[in-house]
Amino acid sequence: GENVEQHPSTLSVQEGDSAVIKCTYSDSASNYFPWYKQELGKRPQLIIDIRSNVGEKKDQRIAVTLNKTAKHFSLHITETQPEDSAVYFCAASRERKDSNYQLIWGAGTKLIIKP
Amino acid sequence: DTAVSQTPKYLVTQMGNDKSIKCEQNLGHDTMYWYKQDSKKFLKIMFSYNNKELIINETVPNRFSPKSPDKAHLNLHINSLELGDSAVYFCASSQRGLAKQETQYFGPGTRLLVL
Repeated sequence: GENVEQHPSTLSVQEGDSAVIKCTYSDSASNYFPWYKQELGKRPQLIIDIRSNVGEKKDQRIAVTLNKTAKHFSLHITETQPEDSAVYFCAASRERKDSNYQLIWGAGTKLIIKP
Repeated sequence: DTAVSQTPKYLVTQMGNDKSIKCEQNLGHDTMYWYKQDSKKFLKIMFSYNNKELIINETVPNRFSPKSPDKAHLNLHINSLELGDSAVYFCASSQRGLAKQETQYFGPGTRLLVL
């Protein structure tokens, strides 16, 4: 079945520097890749997503890139700020045998922004 | 105007007890989910319902029984609670579009502690 691996599990960066989180997936049929942010004690919330017909998408300081050939996608955060500290989850969507879609989640990356 | 709500927010109970968690969404979505998030922050899908029909039923002990009285509600009943059930349980909802890929909106979570 589909497997999504996420690295690193913890990332500590200096405020103002960039952060990159990487995910790989196994099912070449996956075609939707969202990223969720979960602040401490809060619910996961979608921050950006990308579909397989696009190689890159940007929204202010965050961007996501997708390499379908290599089956990996990455989240890039530039000019990091203290409020970027959170756990970030990647996911990949695959079609099940019953034609329903299911998100397969990465294990999460704890991003720490050092002042 | 909360989109996805859960009750209770906190639940502390003894081993062996039976408890229920309720979830409601006012987004008009067709699909609802239950996730378990353990202390390592991994998001594990438990169940998914689409228009009151169970479509995803992952490997979960049969002590866990979901129930969807209508498409706006998805409740989770847990029998004979065990220490290992301690976790945060998130409800989520999404809307199937033409692309069949959709954002999941999470509830605030229910923090369950089994003593």
